[in-house]
Amino acid sequence: AIRMTQSPSSFSASTGDRVTITCRASQGISSYLAWYQQKPGKAPKLLIYAASTLQSGVPSRFSGSGSGTDFTLTISCLQSEDFATYYCQQYYSYPLYTFGQGTKLEIK
Amino acid sequence: EVQLVESGGGLVQPGGSLRLSCAASGFTFSSYSMNWVRQAPGKGLEWVSYISSSSSTIYYADSVKGRFTISRDNAKNSLYLQMNSLRDEDTAVYYCARPQGGFDYWGQGTLVTVSS
Repeated sequence: AIRMTQSPSSFSASTGDRVTITCRASQGISSYLAWYQQKPGKAPKLLIYAASTLQSGVPSRFSGSGSGTDFTLTISCLQSEDFATYYCQQYYSYPLYTFGQGTKLEIK
Repeated sequence: EVQLVESGGGLVQPGGSLRLSCAASGFTFSSYSMNWVRQAPGKGLEWVSYISSSSSTIYYADSVKGRFTISRDNAKNSLYLQMNSLRDEDTAVYYCARPQGGFDYWGQGTLVTVSS
C-alpha cells in the first residue's frame, strides 16, 4: 500500500503568513494527489486535485505543486478561516485510496 | 445542488451489527462510483470501501475486509454499508464521498460508537 506522510503534524502561524505543508508518498504517484481542509465537526472539503488544480470556489491563495513523491500545499496569505486541519490523499492506486495523517494549523 | 446524507449510526456492542445508508441527490447517482471514509475520534481520515457505479467492482480496506459489505441501489439513489462483527476500533464518524479528482462531495457523517 502507498503510504502518505505529511509534515509538520502541527504548527502555529499568524494571519497574513505564507505557509507550506509537505506531503510525501512512499512511491511515485505522478500527479494523482488531492488536498483537503477540515474544520472541527465538519466533513473534509476538497481544495486541490491533480496536485495543482484548484477546486471550483476555493480561494486563489491556496495552491499546490509537486509530482512523483513530493508535494506541497501553500497558503499565500493566511486568513482566520484557514486555521484547520489539512490532509493529502493519493488516488494513483485508485480505488485503494490513502490519506496522510493530517497537519493541524493553529493560530500563533 | 449535490447532497449526500448519511444515516444509521448509533451505539452498538462489540460483535454487533449496524447498517449505514447514504442518500444522494442533485446528480446522476448511477453514473458515479462511491466510497465510504471514516474518522475515529481525534484521528485522521481512513478510506474504508469503494463500489463502482454498476456494483461490479468492490474494494475494502484490510481493516474491514470480511466484516463490512458495501452495496448500492441506483433506483433509490442510495449507498449502504453493512457492518458486522464490530470492534471498539470501528468507532468513528463514517462519511460517504463521491470521487471526482479526489472526493469532491462528502456527506455530513454519521457517528458509530462500538462500546459495551
